[in-house]
Amino acid sequence: DAMVIQNPRYQVTQFGKPVTLSCSQTLNHNVMYWYQQKSSQAPKLLFHYYDKDFNNEADTPDNFQSRRPNTSFCFLDIRSPGLGDAAMYLCATSRGGGLASAYEQYFGPGTRLTVT
Amino acid sequence: LAKTTQPISMDSYEGQEVNITCSHNNIATNDYITWYQQFPSQGPRFIIQGYKTKVTNEVASLFIPADRKSSTLSLPRVSLSDTAVYYCLVGDQYTGRRALTFGSGTRLQVQP
Repeated sequence: DAMVIQNPRYQVTQFGKPVTLSCSQTLNHNVMYWYQQKSSQAPKLLFHYYDKDFNNEADTPDNFQSRRPNTSFCFLDIRSPGLGDAAMYLCATSRGGGLASAYEQYFGPGTRLTVT
Repeated sequence: LAKTTQPISMDSYEGQEVNITCSHNNIATNDYITWYQQFPSQGPRFIIQGYKTKVTNEVASLFIPADRKSSTLSLPRVSLSDTAVYYCLVGDQYTGRRALTFGSGTRLQVQP
């Protein structure tokens, strides 16, 4: 089945130690997104790629970076994780084209990040 | 950016129909209305999307009145497994952003 895969499902890192989360998709979708979801809160968009075009949200901290080497893969890099960065990180995809398709997003299971 | 308002929580019993209403008074002409479901420790799942009138799929129905200032997600005959958070989202056509802005959602608790 076509899907969005995130690895690892659980990640523990130390305060200030860089960490990379990965996402892959078999849907062949143009757009890939990264969301942060803290406990009991709604998902919050960090950034997204439309093909190779990177779109950063205005309030996303510089500590968060992303790479998309090809259509299938996208990475979230946290350069110096702080305790406040502990959260579930969700990757999602959508088809390109009209905005209606943008709002039909397919989410991965998420990576739960713990910062010690 | 169209803002959405929905109840924080709802309770129901198995077998009942559940209707969750979302208010979006400043919806733009070309905005779509989309609903997602999220179970604990999982990513949100797309349920249904509509522009006007009624949309139905195998999971739910979406009712949108003519003025489009609100929408109602209808879940027929809920079961315990429908216990989740339900998010109503309205497209940001005005700025052309492709991103989703999630509101606070409605936490549905289904009792036996």
